[in-house]
Amino acid sequence: AQSVSQHNHHVILSEAASLELGCNYSYGGTVNLFWYVQYPGQHLQLLLKYFSGDPLVKGIKGFEAEFIKSKFSFNLRKPSVQWSDTAEYFCAVTPSSASKIIFGSGTRLSIRP
Amino acid sequence: DTAVSQTPKYLVTQMGNDKSIKCEQNLGHDTMYWYKQDSKKFLKIMFSYNNKELIINETVPNRFSPKSPDKAHLNLHINSLELGDSAVYFCASSQDWQTQSGYTFGSGTRLTVV
Repeated sequence: AQSVSQHNHHVILSEAASLELGCNYSYGGTVNLFWYVQYPGQHLQLLLKYFSGDPLVKGIKGFEAEFIKSKFSFNLRKPSVQWSDTAEYFCAVTPSSASKIIFGSGTRLSIRP
Repeated sequence: DTAVSQTPKYLVTQMGNDKSIKCEQNLGHDTMYWYKQDSKKFLKIMFSYNNKELIINETVPNRFSPKSPDKAHLNLHINSLELGDSAVYFCASSQDWQTQSGYTFGSGTRLTVV
């Protein structure tokens, strides 16, 4: 069965630190990849998505993610985090022909002011 | 205008009761979903409808019954509520069943069963 792994359950950083959140998926075929963010008490919002083309994808709020097919990874990065980035981050994947998105277990990001 | 709206936002009820959660989207999307987010924030798909037809029905107790009167609405009815049903339930929609555009989520319904 397809699955998504986010190995970091809770990441704590200081403001201005660089961020990288790991995401690996298990599916051998063509996939679409997503990162969603859930701010405290709010719904999930799409940060960025990858379908094809340039494996380095830029999203909103200065986030970017790199798709490395050989490693089945889609890590999320931000060069300098802010306190307002405190949230839960979810990696998600769907095989191109599928009708549902499978989410990882989420990574809680806490930023110290 | 809220793109995907759910009601109610909070629901506290006793074990054994029957309750419904409503979801409406005004995006013109064809496909709608229900996800359950447990206390550990894990998101699991429950159901999906494409243009009023059920296309995904994950391993969910049959106490849960979705209903889609039209493609803009997807309601979730839960019979005989149990403590383990306590969670946040998110409705979502996508342009089509192939999800390539990603989902737009509602703000969630926090269900607490006491």
